[in-house]
Amino acid sequence: DIQMTQSPPSLSASLGDKVTITCQASQNINKYIAWYQQKPGKAPRLLIRYTSTLESGTPSRFSGSGSGRDYSFSISNVESEDIASYYCLQYVNLPFTFGSGTKLEIK
Amino acid sequence: EVQLVESGGGLVQPGRSLKLSCVASGFTFSNYGMNWIRQAPGKGLEWVAYISSGSSYIYYAETVKGRFTISRDNAKNTLYLQMTSLRSEDTALYYCARSYGYKSDFDYWGQGVMVTVSS
Repeated sequence: DIQMTQSPPSLSASLGDKVTITCQASQNINKYIAWYQQKPGKAPRLLIRYTSTLESGTPSRFSGSGSGRDYSFSISNVESEDIASYYCLQYVNLPFTFGSGTKLEIK
Repeated sequence: EVQLVESGGGLVQPGRSLKLSCVASGFTFSNYGMNWIRQAPGKGLEWVAYISSGSSYIYYAETVKGRFTISRDNAKNTLYLQMTSLRSEDTALYYCARSYGYKSDFDYWGQGVMVTVSS
């Protein structure tokens, strides 16, 4: 199974900050990584697919990059509505595996 | 508008069975693969099972293989998860989620249905 090591587990940012979350796969995942936002009591929402393609409706302050085993997800100009947990997902191989999540809080 | 609505959850004793349903609308259900993904209380996300659009390909996580069965009825736009020999560690919020094919992300999710396994 491919392990997805996501960091940090939590993040505290001020409004307007840029934050970055990383996911490292245990093997090359050929850019088959997606990023999800989950607000309390809600289902996850797809933000970015295939490393860097923004899903329809995803604000442009969200971005993704990476290759091979190493990937990152960033939010520039953090807004209050971005308070949520964020998860990466690799979908290159079964079983599909998620990172352990990053909880974003506002200072 | 794409909608996925799960049902069938509840409180069940260890060792018993439960069947979840997910009714889809707003898209051509028979064109898409479908998944079950679960989230234990306060924990992260775990993919559980995948079924292809025509049910030809079915895959399970090792944690549920042999106990859970995913199926679908394209005429009824409905996805199912038959869960047997339930354990306390199966307690979770179960989501159904759409994917275009096997190597595809999950683009739409239902709101989830809670399954609690406890005596």
